[in-house]
Amino acid sequence: GAVVSQHPSWVICKSGTSVKIECRSLDFQATTMFWYRQFPKQSLMLMATSNEGSKATYEQGVEKDKFLINHASLTLSTLTVTSAHPEDSSFYICSAIHPSANSYEQYFGPGTRLTVT
Amino acid sequence: DAKTTQPTSMDCAEGRAANLPCNHSTISGNEYVYWYRQIHSQGPQYIIHGLKNNETNEMASLIITEDRKSSTLILPHATLRDTAVYYCIVRRTSYDKVIFGPGTSLSVIP
Repeated sequence: GAVVSQHPSWVICKSGTSVKIECRSLDFQATTMFWYRQFPKQSLMLMATSNEGSKATYEQGVEKDKFLINHASLTLSTLTVTSAHPEDSSFYICSAIHPSANSYEQYFGPGTRLTVT
Repeated sequence: DAKTTQPTSMDCAEGRAANLPCNHSTISGNEYVYWYRQIHSQGPQYIIHGLKNNETNEMASLIITEDRKSSTLILPHATLRDTAVYYCIVRRTSYDKVIFGPGTSLSVIP
């Protein structure tokens, strides 16, 4: 299947700093990507839809000024957690829509584990 | 999108078939049934999807009831590597965002 990568795979940052997470579609172009977060022993929660060349669409309750999303190219979307706090520590996962012969399908990245100290 | 309900957890003996049920009684005629799984600390993985016919691929089989109100994902010969959380999702198109429920935690036991 199609490959989606994330960088970094894990990151530790200090409270108050900002951290950027990259999501790349390695062998296809993705006009739409999604960002999720997952707390321990919980399911994935959709944060936002990232569309290439336009503003992201955030889910209800997600602070757009805190979680900045940029989808500047067809293969890269970035999520920046601004002024991170310990409660932002989570597993962040992206997915990208891959246009295949029969339909579109979503492929997920391996996730980025963020720890804020 | 229609809501789905799945058992919280299941066990399966290694080498045996794992049958994971999903109820989606409010599914609409144009909604597909999708299955994903997430192995611990990894991103979700697409398994299979279908509309009304049974589907099979190299990973699993999907059996959808005639009234489409429920389905079963079958892993024919479960291995320890199939231990994961399995998510059943209903959505209209594969372009729609995936909204995850709690899923079923499958434990394959030696």
